Amino acid sequence: EIVLTQSPGTLSLSPGERATLSCRASQSVSSSYLAWYQQKPGQAPRLLIYGASSRATGIPDRFSGSGSGTDFTLTISRLEPEDFAVYYCQQYGGSPPLTFGGGTKVEIK
Amino acid sequence: EVQLVESGGGLVQPGGSLRLSCEASGFTFSSYWMHWVRQAPGKGLVWVSRINSEGSSTTYADSVKGRFTISRDNAKNMLYLQMNSLRAEDTAVYYCARGQQGGYYYYWGQGTLVTVSS
Repeated sequence: EIVLTQSPGTLSLSPGERATLSCRASQSVSSSYLAWYQQKPGQAPRLLIYGASSRATGIPDRFSGSGSGTDFTLTISRLEPEDFAVYYCQQYGGSPPLTFGGGTKVEIK
Repeated sequence: EVQLVESGGGLVQPGGSLRLSCEASGFTFSSYWMHWVRQAPGKGLVWVSRINSEGSSTTYADSVKGRFTISRDNAKNMLYLQMNSLRAEDTAVYYCARGQQGGYYYYWGQGTLVTVSS
């Protein structure tokens, strides 16, 4: 099973600042099958990034994903008020189980 | 418009059973793998199970293997999760999600809460 470790657990930033979220895998994620989701309280997760760097339909270009192998990054270039939420990475390559990271909460400083 | 609507959640005693349903609309249901993902209160996302588009192949997380059964009815555009021998640790919001390219999720349902408690 591939374990995903997200850091930091909480990121305290102000609107307009840059957010850098990390997701590290316990073994290489095949074909960069790594996705990122945003989740707000009481809502289902929302897909932001798939294939490590491809933005989902309708996702603003301030969100970008990068990385390969075992190290992946989600960057939010300039935080908007609606971006304060919890973010999860997920790997979906190789054999099950599909796994999620523990999440990074981006909160208003 | 793609829609996934779960139902069937509720309060059940430890050792009991519950059947979750997910009604799909707005896309060709029989063409997609479908998944269940759960989230315990205040915790992260955990993949539970998946089923291929024909319904002939299923996979489970170790934590539910032998207790949960995923199934689908392509004629009715319905996905199911039969949950038996429920434990307190199965308490969670259960989401159905449409699988894409091996298992990322563009579309999610709104979730249904399952509470296992005496």
